[in-house]
Amino acid sequence: GQQLNQSPQSMFIQEGEDVSMNCTSSSIFNTWLWYKQEPGEGPVLLIALYKAGELTSNGRLTAQFGITRKDSFLNISASIPSDVGIYFCAGTHSGGSNYKLTFGKGTLLTVNP
Amino acid sequence: GAGVSQSPSNKVTEKGKDVELRCDPISGHTALYWYRQSLGQGLEFLIYFQGNSAPDKSGLPSDRFSAERTGGSVSTLTIQRTQQEDSAVYLCASSLVPGPSGNTIYFGEGSWLTVV
Repeated sequence: GQQLNQSPQSMFIQEGEDVSMNCTSSSIFNTWLWYKQEPGEGPVLLIALYKAGELTSNGRLTAQFGITRKDSFLNISASIPSDVGIYFCAGTHSGGSNYKLTFGKGTLLTVNP
Repeated sequence: GAGVSQSPSNKVTEKGKDVELRCDPISGHTALYWYRQSLGQGLEFLIYFQGNSAPDKSGLPSDRFSAERTGGSVSTLTIQRTQQEDSAVYLCASSLVPGPSGNTIYFGEGSWLTVV
């Protein structure tokens, strides 16, 4: 099946620092989504991207849909302790079903106060 | 509640036993999805239901796995003769219409299954 390569696997940062994580794919994706999962919870949608080149912000979060449609990044500015969690990229790929999400393996973010 | 509800939240079962996991989607949502999340892994698609259409079962890992959705609402995922490799968090999700395009897919908190 389709694979999403997400990096880094984990990050340990100081409060106030900016964070960047990204996902790449060997095939073209039609949508890119970024989710956050906290312990004992299901993933919660942060940002959805639908067009190549699209740059979208949600508060301190900014994400972009790569021009090649094979990558996306998520930036978090001025991190705070409640940003702790696992961040997943996900998407639907061209030629696949429009409802079936492919997920990356996640980036575990730890923020040191 | 207003969100996707799953039960049980935790289940420990002996190898070889059958288990049933239940999902109550958000009221009015026509699309329902099951995903599996193994330790340290991303979510893996299992099955998809949309209205009265035939479900997409392409992600079910073996014939020990089955799911149904009754009355277009509640769904049950059944795992027969459980194996240790079935240990994972089983996440249910629903959305108003199919797919993420212009539409939010909401996840439940998951059912954590441990097979001993």
